[in-house]
Amino acid sequence: EAQVTQNPRYLITVTGKKLTVTCSQNMNHEYMSWYRQDPGLGLRQIYYSMNVEVTDKGDVPEGYKVSRKEKRNFPLILESPSPNQTSLYFCASSPSRARSPDGYTFGSGTRLTVV
Amino acid sequence: AQSVAQPEDQVNVAEGNPLTVKCTYSVSGNPYLFWYVQYPNRGLQFLLKYITGDNLVKGSYGFEAEFNKSQTSFHLKKPSALVSDSALYFCAVSRNSGGYNKLIFGAGTRLAVHP
Repeated sequence: EAQVTQNPRYLITVTGKKLTVTCSQNMNHEYMSWYRQDPGLGLRQIYYSMNVEVTDKGDVPEGYKVSRKEKRNFPLILESPSPNQTSLYFCASSPSRARSPDGYTFGSGTRLTVV
Repeated sequence: AQSVAQPEDQVNVAEGNPLTVKCTYSVSGNPYLFWYVQYPNRGLQFLLKYITGDNLVKGSYGFEAEFNKSQTSFHLKKPSALVSDSALYFCAVSRNSGGYNKLIFGAGTRLAVHP
């Protein structure tokens, strides 16, 4: 089944403790992206990647890092999480980096709480 | 700047009645427009898209959307609502950003269908 897999689904952590949220897609998509969803704000892009070893900042990149060493994986790293990073996170992928009629395929989400 | 507005935080409708979830957009050039739905504890699922052609687009689960260029709107509609349609709905517009397909989302509208 074509899908984007995120882990973990739920995570509670303490301020300052480094964490990684994993994302993997099995569709050979070039483009991958991380979003955070907050009430009243919709989805805001954190980072994106157009291909292996090519990443760039989205609209709200502060406090996050990403890497793209393999085409299928795009982990989100929080080096020193803070309570304002408590949110629902989504990974998404798309088959093309050119402007395309294709939408995104989303993972099921990771609900992160930082205390 | 490109943006998407969903003017209603919540829409309430009785089962069997028609529903409309509103979306307006601001984007230069010809827009690619999307609707996604998010059920509780799930990721975003693609509903439908407008690329070009007929202004009335039909999608999954009996939903349709009407593209109105003069009013820059892309309202989501369904002739007869079901309780199972209760979910969070996001409108999105695609734009070319540095050669990749970036989706910009509205804040979301919660649809509540009452028996």
